Amino acid sequence: DVQLQESGPGLVKPSQTVSLTCTVTGISITTGNYRWSWIRQFPGNKLEWIGYIYYSGTITYNPSLTSRTTITRDTSKNQFFLEMNSLTAEDTATYYCAREGGWSYYFDYWGQGTTLTVSS
Amino acid sequence: EIVLTQSPTTMAASPGEKITITCSASSSISSNYLHWYQQKPGFSPKLLIYRTSNLASGVPARFSGSGSGTSYSLTIGTMEAEDVATYYCQQGSSIIFTFGSGTKLEIK
Repeated sequence: DVQLQESGPGLVKPSQTVSLTCTVTGISITTGNYRWSWIRQFPGNKLEWIGYIYYSGTITYNPSLTSRTTITRDTSKNQFFLEMNSLTAEDTATYYCAREGGWSYYFDYWGQGTTLTVSS
Repeated sequence: EIVLTQSPTTMAASPGEKITITCSASSSISSNYLHWYQQKPGFSPKLLIYRTSNLASGVPARFSGSGSGTSYSLTIGTMEAEDVATYYCQQGSSIIFTFGSGTKLEIK
């Protein structure tokens, strides 16, 4: 069964950089035609798509975040990562990783989420 | 960016009642790219319906979806207590994937 698990530091200070990890089991992240996304949910529940890394390694970002967001992967560990810099309190959210299930661009598997709080 | 507007924002239904949630897009979307999610308190979103009207695996048949162009809807044929959740629409039509603001469904 496909499972995703996020991990991260929980609390970071403003202006710092955070790195989050998504560990995938049950399928290789290099399996064809899947995209592996990061999505965040703000307090108040608004959902925002951050970006994805395609099975081939191609990356696409939400243009509103592209200047301070980097998505990478480690295929040997079947993990992908989100790095975000210049953090502010507005980046406080629950961060999910999710699998995009094919050409219709829907998210069929989600992790349980990791909460990130940006505060001094 | 395609903005998705859901209504109502919050609603309460009695067990057995039929409920409909609507999702209006700021630009026309192919029905292949409109999807719905259910999020229960304390859990991550779960795919409910994909490509407007296709039930995800394990989703009860009382759920259904329809729509085209800029107007889409999610219907629960008969409300059950386990359907208490927030429901979101999502579009994959444009390069920026966006979600609706959510409809919180409560039980009377």
